[in-house]
Amino acid sequence: DSGVTQTPKHLITATGQRVTLRCSPRSGDLSVYWYQQSLDQGLQFLIQYYNGEERAKGNILERFSAQQFPDLHSELNLSSLELGDSALYFCASSPRLMSSTDTQYFGPGTRLTVL
Amino acid sequence: AQSVSQHNHHVILSEAASLELGCNYSYGGTVNLFWYVQYPGQHLQLLLKYFSGDPLVKGIKGFEAEFIKSKFSFNLRKPSVQWSDTAEYFCAVMISGSARQLTFGSGTQLTVLP
Repeated sequence: DSGVTQTPKHLITATGQRVTLRCSPRSGDLSVYWYQQSLDQGLQFLIQYYNGEERAKGNILERFSAQQFPDLHSELNLSSLELGDSALYFCASSPRLMSSTDTQYFGPGTRLTVL
Repeated sequence: AQSVSQHNHHVILSEAASLELGCNYSYGGTVNLFWYVQYPGQHLQLLLKYFSGDPLVKGIKGFEAEFIKSKFSFNLRKPSVQWSDTAEYFCAVMISGSARQLTFGSGTQLTVLP
């Protein structure tokens, strides 16, 4: 158990819908990362938040957005869902922003299936 | 942009065989390197990491990796695999001084036959 929690574990929805994935980082970690794992694209970085502020963006679609709340949990919002959005979405956390020795610890993931 | 290549997509070994999984990255600056493992149905777990110093890094469960800067490689090794090592292995790169996101390779599925 990494200490990072994600809910829900599984999510099945229809095309065009909107869903919210939730992540709670390890106790004391300020930085949260979202990654998408799909069969065709592999593991890709989506977005990073540090202490409530967006710090970096990767291959994140405009239909996707995220935020980090004062209690440091983060939510990833996916809207106008398409079949190709079906994937495993991982959250990871690390203590700081720019430390050269920090490691990212991953949560169990949310498996999203879009029908 | 940096990229990570794992050329072995699927490796099948018998128990007690030695393992070496290749990882090459493309970035000319300072990098931090990682190997993560994903057991069936589970989340990514850190096996080992390299930040600086001794290029031979030892991790958990008997795994080690060697950073060879001149070859841009960070190959994962284990002298004797077990059935329980069956999993998918991901190499990842983090650029020093960046926003710390990881760039992952495509993964190598290791199947160890009992």
